[in-house]
Amino acid sequence: DQQVKQNSPSLSVQEGRISILNCDYTNSMFDYFLWYKKYPAEGPTFLISISSIKDKNEDGRFTVFLNKSAKHLSLHIVPSQPGDSAVYFCAASANGQNFVFGPGTRLSVLP
Amino acid sequence: EAGVTQFPSHSVIEKGQTVTLRCDPISGHDNLYWYRRVMGKEIKFLLHFVKESKQDESGMPNNRFLAERTGGTYSTLKVQPAELEDSGVYFCASSQRQGGTEAFFGQGTRLTVV
Repeated sequence: DQQVKQNSPSLSVQEGRISILNCDYTNSMFDYFLWYKKYPAEGPTFLISISSIKDKNEDGRFTVFLNKSAKHLSLHIVPSQPGDSAVYFCAASANGQNFVFGPGTRLSVLP
Repeated sequence: EAGVTQFPSHSVIEKGQTVTLRCDPISGHDNLYWYRRVMGKEIKFLLHFVKESKQDESGMPNNRFLAERTGGTYSTLKVQPAELEDSGVYFCASSQRQGGTEAFFGQGTRLTVV
C-alpha cells in the first residue's frame, strides 16, 4: 500500500511555462514533506521542503503548496527551464522517522 | 563541505557472491539512512541509524542484508549471498537531525547481480 503517491509518471511542459507536480499521501501522521530532483546516474538532490504547520513555502522559482485536509501537496516551478528536466520525487516523514518516497514524476521541459 | 559519498559507484557480481557497499555521511550527521531503488521504481527505505544504533530496520528485505555503522561514522551494507532480485541502485543519505530537516543523498551504488 503506497503511502505517498505521484499519479503522473510523466509531464511535459514548454519552456517558460509553469510546471505543476502533484503528490498525495495517505498517512495523516506525516508532518514534514520534501521534494527531491533526480538526474540520471545521480543521487536525489533536495529541492524544497514544507512543514505541516505551513501551507506554502517558496524558494526562487520553486513553490510547494500543502493542503492538509486533502492530504495533497504540489510543487510549482515557474518559469520552467530545460535544466529542470529530471525525475521529481515527493517524500514525507512522520515524527522524525524515515522518509517515504513516492514513485516519481519525470518532467520534460521542452525548449 | 564534502557531501555523502558512496563506494563503489557500481558493482557487478554473480548470484551467490557477497558484496559490501560503503557510505560516508556528511561529517557531523548522526542520522544515516539506506534506501534502494529497484527497476526505476520508487525509492524504498531500508534502514535508519542514529549514530551507531539501528533506529529502524523495518525496510530490510531479509536476513541476507546486514548493515553496520561502527563508531557512528561510515556505514556498510553487506548482501550475502546476493540474489538476482537484489539488483538495483542503493542510496545512502544523512541528516543532521532526526526530524524536520532534509536528508542529503549520495550518488548511489548500482548493484547488478547476474
